[in-house]
Amino acid sequence: DAKTTQPPSMDCAEGRAANLPCNHSTISGNEYVYWYRQIHSQGPQYIIHGLKNNETNEMASLIITEDRKSSTLILPHATLRDTAVYYCIAGHRDDKIIFGKGTRLHILP
Amino acid sequence: GAVVSQHPSRVICKSGTSVKIECRSLDFQATTMFWYRQFPKQSLMLMATSNEGSKATYEQGVEKDKFLINHASLTLSTLTVTSAHPEDSSFYICSATPLQGLEGFFGPGTRLTVL
Repeated sequence: DAKTTQPPSMDCAEGRAANLPCNHSTISGNEYVYWYRQIHSQGPQYIIHGLKNNETNEMASLIITEDRKSSTLILPHATLRDTAVYYCIAGHRDDKIIFGKGTRLHILP
Repeated sequence: GAVVSQHPSRVICKSGTSVKIECRSLDFQATTMFWYRQFPKQSLMLMATSNEGSKATYEQGVEKDKFLINHASLTLSTLTVTSAHPEDSSFYICSATPLQGLEGFFGPGTRLTVL
């Protein structure tokens, strides 16, 4: 599983798009990029994953650069309930999910 | 999405007692489940992999005799914290990945407080 780098914290105004960056320059060709989030005092929640192409689901969009060395998670219309720690993970090692420090996203009213 | 439950959600016990935490996948089967521990303001730390029908594998630094894991079926794993001490107080979280899936699903967590 490749190492990822995320900013420790970010602020976003309610109703605006939240763009969370992640660097994973050592990612292997067959490793997926996964995003999870953890709301305070809850278990982590799966958001989205992708390999090469951009992905979108009901929660978010994932934009992966062509060289796959970085990606951006986009929450299109952030709400207060999106306040959480967001984890970018490159690859699951033997199905294990190894968490880094993540980005603490504050949605401001 | 798939659902993983944990029981109990919160437990308070006296030092020296043992505490069992259950993790269930409610609508899918999983040959492996994972146990994590999280201290305040820190990230999740993987403790061990629970393997259905075989012994659990533990991450470096995790005492296997203190954290007993049993994976009784394809939908149930249990973590027993033996002879708990105040330093074992933490948020314990389990996860599982469906047999044909890629993404992990997490339980809501169990907050253990050892007095």
